[in-house]
Order: sequence, then C-alpha cells, then structure tokens
Amino acid sequence: DGGITQSPKYLFRKEGQNVTLSCEQNLNHDAMYWYRQDPGQGLRLIYYSQIVNDFQKGDIAEGYSVSREKKESFPLTVTSAQKNPTAFYLCASSIPPGGYGYTFGSGTRLTVV
Amino acid sequence: AQKITQTQPGMFVQEKEAVTLDCTYDTSDPSYGLFWYKQPSSGEMIFLIYQGSYDQQNATEGRYSLNFQKARKSANLVISASQLGDSAMYFCAMREASTDSWGKLQFGAGTQVVVTP
Repeated sequence: DGGITQSPKYLFRKEGQNVTLSCEQNLNHDAMYWYRQDPGQGLRLIYYSQIVNDFQKGDIAEGYSVSREKKESFPLTVTSAQKNPTAFYLCASSIPPGGYGYTFGSGTRLTVV
Repeated sequence: AQKITQTQPGMFVQEKEAVTLDCTYDTSDPSYGLFWYKQPSSGEMIFLIYQGSYDQQNATEGRYSLNFQKARKSANLVISASQLGDSAMYFCAMREASTDSWGKLQFGAGTQVVVTP
C-alpha cells in the first residue's frame, strides 16, 4: 500500500545533539513537507520541497535542516541550534498544486532529555 | 497574521447529536482550497473534507459537511450524528494558489471535541 513512513515513532535527544528524523513516501508525490506541532496547537511549516534537490524554508526553519536527494525521501535534521525542539513532527506529501491529495505520516515525537 | 482562525478551543457533544466547528480564514487570493482534518490521540492526520473556492455547492462526505460562506470567509464543519469515535482534535487548513504559497497548507489552532455517551 502507498503511504508515508516516518521513523522513529519516539526519539529522545540530549541537549546539544543533532538528530535526524526520517520520512519516506512511495506515492510518487513530487512535493514533501515537514510540520511541527506543539501541545494543543496547530501545525507550523518548517521546510518544504517541490522537487528533488530543491527545498524552501517555511515559517519556522531556524534550527532545522533538510535534504531532498531522492524523490522518495525528505529527512529532517533538528540541530543543536533549535532551542526548544521538544514537539511532534509530521511529514506530508502531495501531488502538484491544484489538487487536494495531501498524505501525512504518523509522526515522530521528539523529546529533549 | 493568522490566516486560519478556530475560535473554539474545546467542546463537548452528546452522542448522536450534531456539532458545528467554526473556521474563518483570511486570504486575498481568489483561488484557494479549504480542508478539515481529524487528529485522534494517536497523532495521525485524517483527511475529512475539501472545499475549493470556486465550488458552487457545499462539500459533503458521509456524516461530514462543510458550510462554506465565501463572503464571510467562513468554512464551518458540521458532523452529524456524533459517535464516540469522533472524539479528537479537528483542524481547519487552507491552501492558497499564489506562487509564494505554493502547495503549503496553513493550519488553525484546532478544536478539541469530546463526545459523551
């Protein structure tokens, strides 16, 4: 079945460490997105990619980095520069603009210890 | 500026009753799409319903309907005959068609719905 796989489901990070969250899709979608969700709040866009080898900053990109070397993969690195990284992270993909087919992964819950 | 506003942080509804979740939006783009998602405690985002700005009729999907009032920039979700499994967080989202907003979904803060027996 087609879908988005995010791993790991839970991730613990020590302060000062970089961590990478995985996002893989087999939907053949061109566009991919990373969102951050804090408790009781909506989703905020971190980065998005329209095509392989290209990506753009979203509303809260500081302290994060991404790469898009393959169409299927869009990993997110939470760097030590992100001062408050504890949150729920959701990856999504979509068909090109004009459609409404957004698919979300099941999320990664990151906790700083 | 907040583009999507959901003014109800939480609400209780009795099983089998209908519930309306409010959503207002702000855009100057004539072409946009409005979405509603359900997020249970497991965290997954479940797509419920979509309304395009040029759609003449209100969208419906089973027990879900969208009350689209374009002039008021309002896109309220109506859930008919609530079930216990409807207990979740509900998000309204918008996608604008302008180049700067390419494909990006913007979300409201959400409404927590609790369905009681």
